[in-house]
Amino acid sequence: NAGVMQNPRHLVRRRGQEARLRCSPMKGHSHVYWYRQLPEEGLKFMVYLQKENIIDESGMPKERFSAEFPKEGPSILRIQQVVRGDSAAYFCASSPRSVGETQYFGPGTRLLVL
Amino acid sequence: TQLLEQSPQFLSIQEGENLTVYCNSSSVFSSLQWYRQEPGEGPVLLVTVVTGGEVKKLKRLTFQFGDARKDSSLHITAAQPGDTGLYLCRVLRAAGNKLTFGGGTRVLVKP
Repeated sequence: NAGVMQNPRHLVRRRGQEARLRCSPMKGHSHVYWYRQLPEEGLKFMVYLQKENIIDESGMPKERFSAEFPKEGPSILRIQQVVRGDSAAYFCASSPRSVGETQYFGPGTRLLVL
Repeated sequence: TQLLEQSPQFLSIQEGENLTVYCNSSSVFSSLQWYRQEPGEGPVLLVTVVTGGEVKKLKRLTFQFGDARKDSSLHITAAQPGDTGLYLCRVLRAAGNKLTFGGGTRVLVKP
């Protein structure tokens, strides 16, 4: 049973470009969470999605960031017009049901903005 | 204000020593989880505690949930280099159903 998959593992973008991060949850999991981790820091919650719905986006910046989890296909975290401060590791986690369930994390995407 | 405070932020010890890390808050939680994150990887769940005063053991790791369900500790006996990583506590808030991670404790076990 494959775990949570994220791609790419590493992404380099120049300032002003767009970054697209993909997350495929574990099989049977319909809840996806995105977190950001700055170097030497803990995890910061960004957004929680179920299939086709955003449940909680309170941790996601209002500008330039968006997330989706379509009926088919992976969840996408999109960052438009990236800035150097967006450089971080972005982790996706999934759970089978509600927010109280254990979350299983992917290996992360490390975004570097030049 | 930070909901969860983890201490210390960083801990460096020699192989074979013991260590304890803490996760504290002024709020009551219905459950608390500990994760370990190794360099370059995502966090992995170690344990879930749900009952005040509960103690769980996982080989050389001992987890305790405070009686009032506001704090927790993780004790590692005879630490090994493989214990190196970022230890994160995570709670489900008693009210509001929000899940929150602490800032983490970075543990370095030197051979």
